[in-house]
Amino acid sequence: GQNIDQPTEMTATEGAIVQINCTYQTSGFNGLFWYQQHAGEAPTFLSYNVLDGLEEKGRFSSFLSRSKGYSYLLLKELQMKDSASYLCAVMDSNYQLIWGAGTKLIIKP
Amino acid sequence: EAQVTQNPRYLITVTGKKLTVTCSQNMNHEYMSWYRQDPGLGLRQIYYSMNVEVTDKGDVPEGYKVSRKEKRNFPLILESPSPNQTSLYFCASSTPPGQGSGELFFGEGSRLTVL
Repeated sequence: GQNIDQPTEMTATEGAIVQINCTYQTSGFNGLFWYQQHAGEAPTFLSYNVLDGLEEKGRFSSFLSRSKGYSYLLLKELQMKDSASYLCAVMDSNYQLIWGAGTKLIIKP
Repeated sequence: EAQVTQNPRYLITVTGKKLTVTCSQNMNHEYMSWYRQDPGLGLRQIYYSMNVEVTDKGDVPEGYKVSRKEKRNFPLILESPSPNQTSLYFCASSTPPGQGSGELFFGEGSRLTVL
């Protein structure tokens, strides 16, 4: 079966760096997405990786290793507003999105 | 402003009373999809549509219907709601999957409670 694994919850300190991991097993691969979702709100797009390597976008970076079925989202200079759930999703060979259950990130002052 | 609009945002209803959740997008996207989100389960796809008059079942289609008569609209119909359909529902749209980043644009969500 197809599966996306990410930690359920993580805690970090304001100003620090946190890495949220995502491992996947899917039927084919057509890209990996990260979305941010604040409590009670809609998910919003953060990043898309289809090739191996690191994509940097401001304080957020996303890394992909297709051979390892692994990605991470790196958040630097954490701010209180970064408290949210982070969703990992993989597009399979049929261009269907397989979603992880999300990682709830708690930022402490 | 590019957006996906869902209505109603909140609804409390009773078992068996038919309801429709509307979804409209103004980005001329071919692809539209409905998800439900339940605690600990993440987003689960109900139905999706690749274009007008083309719809397909997602992972959890039982108890739901959809239609795509116009490009901009993709309503979700619950013919006879049951308590296990109590959930947070999201509509989303994008360019065709596989073209570009395929970024999904989500509506604000519709919180449905079935008593």
